[in-house]
Amino acid sequence: EVQLVESGGGLVQPGGSLRLSCAASGFTVSSNYMSWVRQAPGKGLEWVSVIYSGGSTYYADSVKGRFTISRDNSKNTLYLQMNSLRAEDTAVYYCARGLMDSSGYHYWGQGTLVTVSS
Amino acid sequence: EIVLTQSPDFQSVTPKEKVTITCRASQSIGSSLHWYQQKPDQSPKLLIKYASQSFSGVPSRFSGSGSGTDFTLTINSLEAEDAATYYCHQSSSLPYTFGQGTKLEIK
Repeated sequence: EVQLVESGGGLVQPGGSLRLSCAASGFTVSSNYMSWVRQAPGKGLEWVSVIYSGGSTYYADSVKGRFTISRDNSKNTLYLQMNSLRAEDTAVYYCARGLMDSSGYHYWGQGTLVTVSS
Repeated sequence: EIVLTQSPDFQSVTPKEKVTITCRASQSIGSSLHWYQQKPDQSPKLLIKYASQSFSGVPSRFSGSGSGTDFTLTINSLEAEDAATYYCHQSSSLPYTFGQGTKLEIK
């Protein structure tokens, strides 16, 4: 059974850093297409970042240069390193998996809340 | 960036009614358009992939159509459990984007 479990969210001050984790089971992170998608309180879904099966990565303009997506094959875990956090980064962050590159997202985690506030 | 515009933003419907939600892309995206359902305090769930392909386990009353710039999600014979917000999403061109969402209320 495919499972995605996010962790690492919390309260952080503006300008601070946080690393989110997405522990996967039922498949191998290293060979899969995965993304981070966020949702600000009461708002819609916003695409954040992607890592393709081959390892290429891309980011939304709103986070480019501040966020880094990566994966650890030995831990079968996807990460999102978030630096220089701003109030507008406050959101629930979901990791999601597609069954092939550039597909829809077939599986989603439960989300982890990041709050950026002083 | 490709902008996806959904309509309507909100719709109040009665059970057994037929519902149509549209998603218009700011430029052609072929069939790289996917639909999700999100209920309050839950993660999104994939309903339709590549415009018209139903995802495994999704009830047959959900269907999708369209290509290029205009897409439609149809819910036949609406049920109370379909109360949710529905999003379209394009994976044709980076950065990938989502529509603003359509909230469906059941009367």
